Amino acid sequence: DAKTTQPNSMESNEEEPVHLPCNHSTISGTDYIHWYRQLPSQGPEYVIHGLTSNVNNRMASLAIAEDRKSSTLILHRATLRDAAVYYCILRTKLGNTGKLIFGQGTTLQVKP
Amino acid sequence: DSGVTQTPKHLITATGQRVTLRCSPRSGDLSVYWYQQSLDQGLQFLIQYYNGEERAKGNILERFSAQQFPDLHSELNLSSLELGDSALYFCASSVAGGTSGITGELFFGEGSRLTVL
Repeated sequence: DAKTTQPNSMESNEEEPVHLPCNHSTISGTDYIHWYRQLPSQGPEYVIHGLTSNVNNRMASLAIAEDRKSSTLILHRATLRDAAVYYCILRTKLGNTGKLIFGQGTTLQVKP
Repeated sequence: DSGVTQTPKHLITATGQRVTLRCSPRSGDLSVYWYQQSLDQGLQFLIQYYNGEERAKGNILERFSAQQFPDLHSELNLSSLELGDSALYFCASSVAGGTSGITGELFFGEGSRLTVL
């Protein structure tokens, strides 16, 4: 599985937008970019995923660079509940069993 | 609520003992995944079952074993426990994970916290 690189931690103020970066320079054409987050004392939860085009859902937006070597998860208005560890994960489309391989992720702190 | 149920939520046991963790996947999900999360190792993939058969294996120790039953619930058996096995064990499920290549999101349970003294 191709690797991703994320900052260890980031801080944000409540009600401000947050941009969480992820580098994946060795991404292949069949790799989807997935984001999961893990709130304190809970299991990870799905946030969003994409292949080439930018994606929006009720939780967040995913901006994918044109060369696909990086992506950014955007939380439009951070709330205290968004404080979590955010994981950027590549998952291949071909012969994939569905498993996710987690890295260290980015710990997001949201200040009131 | 993800729909994935794990029991027990907490478990304290002694070194050398054996424990069984249980996972009930979301209704309709055929794949079950087990993960271990410790402070120094992060979230480690252990093993995946799809419709009763082992589908993928990760960093699972030989002292650990798992199975998925006909009703699709899964159990993770941990034996000859060591202090280092103390961790959160998560189960996740997804609708797919077979050979079709179709993927779906994973839904995680709240975990079973194992403490080995």
